[in-house]
Amino acid sequence: AQSVTQLDSQVPVFEEAPVELRCNYSSSVSVYLFWYVQYPNQGLQLLLKYLSGSTLVKGINGFEAEFNKSQTSFHLRKPSVHISDTAEYFCAVSTYGGATNKLIFGTGTLLAVQP
Amino acid sequence: NAGVMQNPRHLVRRRGQEARLRCSPMKGHSHVYWYRQLPEEGLKFMVYLQKENIIDESGMPKERFSAEFPKEGPSILRIQQVVRGDSAAYFCASSDSYNQPQHFGDGTRLSIL
Repeated sequence: AQSVTQLDSQVPVFEEAPVELRCNYSSSVSVYLFWYVQYPNQGLQLLLKYLSGSTLVKGINGFEAEFNKSQTSFHLRKPSVHISDTAEYFCAVSTYGGATNKLIFGTGTLLAVQP
Repeated sequence: NAGVMQNPRHLVRRRGQEARLRCSPMKGHSHVYWYRQLPEEGLKFMVYLQKENIIDESGMPKERFSAEFPKEGPSILRIQQVVRGDSAAYFCASSDSYNQPQHFGDGTRLSIL
């Protein structure tokens, strides 16, 4: 079975500062990895995905993430945040080559950007 | 390019009533997934469907919940005899093929009185 751990439930940061949101996963098989963002009362928007290839993945809105297989991590980073980045961020995995395409989500990290 | 459409956005039911949640996938998408988000929790997978077939229902409660994705029309998540614990946000997602990224709708927020 797969699981996803987001260690930080909330990350406060000042505007224009860098930020890292941590994500670790557990799986006995190869996985695909995703980061989604959820703004209040909205659905989830895909930020970026790792399917294969380069371990450094660039996404929308200036975010990037690095897949580290040995540490089973997929941390999300942004060099300079804006007020508009305030939202809930979810890390998720799905099984590569499995019978189902379901996503397993972490519990989310609330990024609170302060002026 | 319409995204995933869910309706209604908000649904209020009394205990014991039935709730029907609808999801129209993105154009060209034939894979539909339902997830539930309980307060203060992340999203939990419920069911994965392709046209007219349930592929994975491992996350569906054994009783009162059912899902379908008919050949024509939207996917329906049906909850019979709702209870207070069913209050949650229910999200639908779709993809155009297996193992492609899923695109989410804005959800249906179900409140049980």
